[in-house]
Amino acid sequence: SAVISQKPSRDICQRGTSLTIQCQVDSQVTMMFWYRQQPGQSLTLIATANQGSEATYESGFVIDKFPISRPNLTFSTLTVSNMSPEDSSIYLCSVGGRAVNEQFFGPGTRLTVL
Amino acid sequence: AQTVTQSQPEMSVQEAETVTLSCTYDTSENNYYLFWYKQPPSRQMILVIRQEAYKQQNATENRFSVNFQKAAKSFSLKISDSQLGDTAMYFCAFMRVSGSARQLTFGSGTQLTVLP
Repeated sequence: SAVISQKPSRDICQRGTSLTIQCQVDSQVTMMFWYRQQPGQSLTLIATANQGSEATYESGFVIDKFPISRPNLTFSTLTVSNMSPEDSSIYLCSVGGRAVNEQFFGPGTRLTVL
Repeated sequence: AQTVTQSQPEMSVQEAETVTLSCTYDTSENNYYLFWYKQPPSRQMILVIRQEAYKQQNATENRFSVNFQKAAKSFSLKISDSQLGDTAMYFCAFMRVSGSARQLTFGSGTQLTVLP
């Protein structure tokens, strides 16, 4: 299985600021994903981070609000821009494994926006 | 679009007893994967068990097993000999098999508490 780390593990931010979350994998992976988990809720896919091209966003999520970078096959960043209290969530990075039915998750970043 | 429904927001079970968590899904796909993930208070998502839709045999992983009913679009998780460490939020998830797509659609979760 892949070992995934995320930075920061948690942060408290002020309204109107931006935060960039990093996701690092210990091996090269093709598929990387970003999920949001709002308080007491399930996980919702934000976007698929594509290496060498723009991310593919799900309905309800836009690049201006959640810009994503994927400079190589082991690293991705998600930025939460112009934050509001409604952005307070856990943000999780996940990667596909070698088998098509494998997907591993990072430890998550707990974001609180005041 | 796929939907995943978990109708039990909370459940509890006595230690060493057996509990079943329910999950239903809706899809027009014929080939897909189903998963149960566990999220303890540490918030780390941990894969518990997975099932390929084309396999009729129910998946089993030690104390965890599933009852997969494809026609009924049902995918329940049975935990035998429950342990205190099984206390967590459990999410049922669906993955369609389409090209390179591997996005997961999650249910709303069931909070399981194992009582001593």
